Amino acid sequence: DAGVTQSPTHLIKTRGQHVTLRCSPISGHKSVSWYQQVLGQGPQFIFQYYEKEERGRGNFPDRFSARQFPNYSSELNVNALLLGDSALYLCASSPTGLPATGELFFGEGSRLTVL
Amino acid sequence: AQSVAQPEDQVNVAEGNPLTVKCTYSVSGNPYLFWYVQYPNRGLQFLLKYITGDNLVKGSYGFEAEFNKSQTSFHLKKPSALVSDSALYFCAVRAPTQRGSTLGRLYFGRGTQLTVWP
Repeated sequence: DAGVTQSPTHLIKTRGQHVTLRCSPISGHKSVSWYQQVLGQGPQFIFQYYEKEERGRGNFPDRFSARQFPNYSSELNVNALLLGDSALYLCASSPTGLPATGELFFGEGSRLTVL
Repeated sequence: AQSVAQPEDQVNVAEGNPLTVKCTYSVSGNPYLFWYVQYPNRGLQFLLKYITGDNLVKGSYGFEAEFNKSQTSFHLKKPSALVSDSALYFCAVRAPTQRGSTLGRLYFGRGTQLTVWP
């Protein structure tokens, strides 16, 4: 079975541009979360979507937005890119009705470099 | 507020020796604790978790972790390290008081780079 897939794997943007990152969860998973991992740091929570609704948001500016589609795939959008947005963006999925005891399943990430 | 501390940025150990990667946490209520591993340019892979019950948890690839409530610690261990264990290890915590479907939020430590030399 396919795991969590993310695209693109690498991309380079310049300051002020906009970026869209995509994620397909594991088949049957209805929850998708996004994390930002800056070099030398642990992943930081950005968003969680469940059944196409935002269920949680981390401490990120409004330049960051996301959505979940009827097929449970998700997009993360970042506007007005800053140098500090350079990071590995990780998507994670979890099954329907997952209790707090369950683990997340991560994709391999999209590495964004902002010049 | 929930938080995780990994006091060592780097751990070096010889192949065949036991290894320990340390983690302490701060959370309201009983914690749900996780260990993940990250290989270069890859995503995070789940190793093991502690939810309740036996304080010694066994996971993938021969790893285990010991939950110590009094010391608020959840150290990752392996009796005999392999060169292939060299990677970045993250400890994470989730608070059981999270409501509704906000179940995806994990709080991660900064990570510990494990290097096992031949």
